Amino acid sequence: GDSVTQMEGPVTLSEEAFLTINCTYTATGYPSLFWYVQYPGEGLQLLLKATKADDKGSNKGFEATYRKETTSFHLEKGSVQVSDSAVYFCALSGYNFNKFYFGSGTKLNVKP
Amino acid sequence: EAGVTQFPSHSVIEKGQTVTLRCDPISGHDNLYWYRRVMGKEIKFLLHFVKESKQDESGMPNNRFLAERTGGTYSTLKVQPAELEDSGVYFCASSPRVNTEAFFGQGTRLTVV
Repeated sequence: GDSVTQMEGPVTLSEEAFLTINCTYTATGYPSLFWYVQYPGEGLQLLLKATKADDKGSNKGFEATYRKETTSFHLEKGSVQVSDSAVYFCALSGYNFNKFYFGSGTKLNVKP
Repeated sequence: EAGVTQFPSHSVIEKGQTVTLRCDPISGHDNLYWYRRVMGKEIKFLLHFVKESKQDESGMPNNRFLAERTGGTYSTLKVQPAELEDSGVYFCASSPRVNTEAFFGQGTRLTVV
């Protein structure tokens, strides 16, 4: 069945460091891929998405590229800020977005 | 516009008791979803309503869980009787129609002791 695997955390970085959170997936067909973020005390928010191979999703300085050949959707940011501290979830869904498969989440701590 | 609202934000109950979680979707959103995250693991799909009808309930773990959405507005998820393994964070999400972004609530943290 469909599934998502992402790197375990927590990940601790200093401010302005480079961030990579790895995500790989297993899916039938052609899924859409997402990164969601949960800031402390808040709900899940869509961070970025990509709906087909080679698409790049980007938002708030974060980027991820849909790589079909490696079944990956790694999240990157060139320079993290303290305010980026949160839990990040990689997810996939079918074409109609009516059912998501999430990874286990990666907690990011950014220190000043 | 109000987002997806879940009540309560946190619930602590004893094993064997009953708990009811509530979700108020964004007004006008026909699609409503329940998910849960157990013990820091992945967030798993529970079920999907379209208006008041259950479109997909393949993720419901067992018959101790009952979800309803009378009138196609808010939804409740009842756990009866609660077991220790039911502890986790229960998320609700809504979307106006399929093929559009789902908006998530802040979750209800359920602790069964």
